[in-house]
Parts: sequence; structure tokens; C-alpha cells
Amino acid sequence: GENVEQHPSTLSVQEGDSAVIKCTYSDSASNYFPWYKQELGKRPQLIIDIRSNVGEKKDQRIAVTLNKTAKHFSLHITETQPEDSAVYFCALPTNTAGNKLTFGGGTRVLVKP
Amino acid sequence: EPEVTQTPSHQVTQMGQEVILRCVPISNHLYFYWYRQILGQKVEFLVSFYNNEISEKSEIFDDQFSVERPDGSNFTLKIRSTKLEDSAMYFCASGSGGARGKTGELFFGEGSRLTVL
Repeated sequence: GENVEQHPSTLSVQEGDSAVIKCTYSDSASNYFPWYKQELGKRPQLIIDIRSNVGEKKDQRIAVTLNKTAKHFSLHITETQPEDSAVYFCALPTNTAGNKLTFGGGTRVLVKP
Repeated sequence: EPEVTQTPSHQVTQMGQEVILRCVPISNHLYFYWYRQILGQKVEFLVSFYNNEISEKSEIFDDQFSVERPDGSNFTLKIRSTKLEDSAMYFCASGSGGARGKTGELFFGEGSRLTVL
């Protein structure tokens, strides 16, 4: 099946610094790349997504970049704040119908004040 | 804003007992899912459901698991004979997309924490 590798597994940053999380995949047909944020004890929630016809998408302090040639996509959080502390998961559809999302292993981000 | 709702929020059961977890997806969504998350681990796909039938299931989703949409609003996950390793958070999700190239956001419920003793 599709392999979704996410790195790093943990990331500690100082408030105000940037955080970058990377996911690599193997299925070249993948064309939808979402990122979910899960706060402690809460549900995963979509924070940003990108489709394969664009290389970058920004929404305030978060951005996603996509490199289809290298088969990786990354989440960038700038000017990190304590409320950015959470587990972040990349995901992508991994079946022909596109209705099964496979999640990466998650990155626990800790923003230190 | 519409939400996916799940009940119960927490269930404790004895090994070997049957458990039913309930979900009410967002009303105009067509695709329904169950995911599982063992404490501290990643979100794992269990099953997807579309047009009143299972469209895909994972290796985890063995004969002990079943899903049902008994009416126009509820979507249930049944575990027939629970095992210790079934202890996890079970998330229901729904979405409006599904065809490759049109997959969109999945909306997750708050989860049902299952503890098997």
C-alpha cells in the first residue's frame, strides 16, 4: 500500500521561530495533500490543503509546499505561538477512488514561550 | 456550523463484549469513515462507506467489525467481541468528496474512547 513518511516525529521550537514538517509519498498519482492538526484530546482538524496543480498555498502563518517530482510536501508554520503546540498529521488519498485518506505518523510540535 | 457527532464519548467494556459506537455525519455528506487512534499513535483508517455499502476497508477491519447506516442519519461501528487491543479512540468522519481528484476535507467527530478491560 501507499507509504506516507512524516518527519520529524517531534519538533521543539522557540516562540516566534518557524517550524517545518515534511511528508514523502510513493504514489505519483496522488493529487490532494492535506494537513491536519490535533490538539491534545481533540479531533483532527484540517488546517490547510493543496492540490497538485499548484506548488504552494498560504493561509496567514501556515503554508504548504508541494514538490511532485520529488514526491514530498511540507507544512510551514511561521512566527510560531504557544497555541500552535499540537500534533500535526499529513495525509493523502491512497486508493483509486480517492476516498481513503492515509495519515502520516504525526509530528508533535512544542512551541516554548 | 454543522458537526459530526459521536456517542458515547467514553465506553468501558469487558473483553469479549459487543460494543456499538454511534455517529451522526454531516447531513449533506455522502462519504462516511471510521478511523482508529491508539493512544499516542497515528490515525489509522478502518473503513469507508458510500451508497449504503463498504467501499474500502483496512486489514484492521476484520470479521469482528461491522458498520451500518440503519437510517438516514446514523452511522454505526460494531465490534462483536472486543479484545484488549481494541482499546483506542475511534473517530467517525464524513466528507462530501470521494472521486480521485475531488477528495476534500474530512470532518471528524470528537471521538469515542473505548477501553477494554
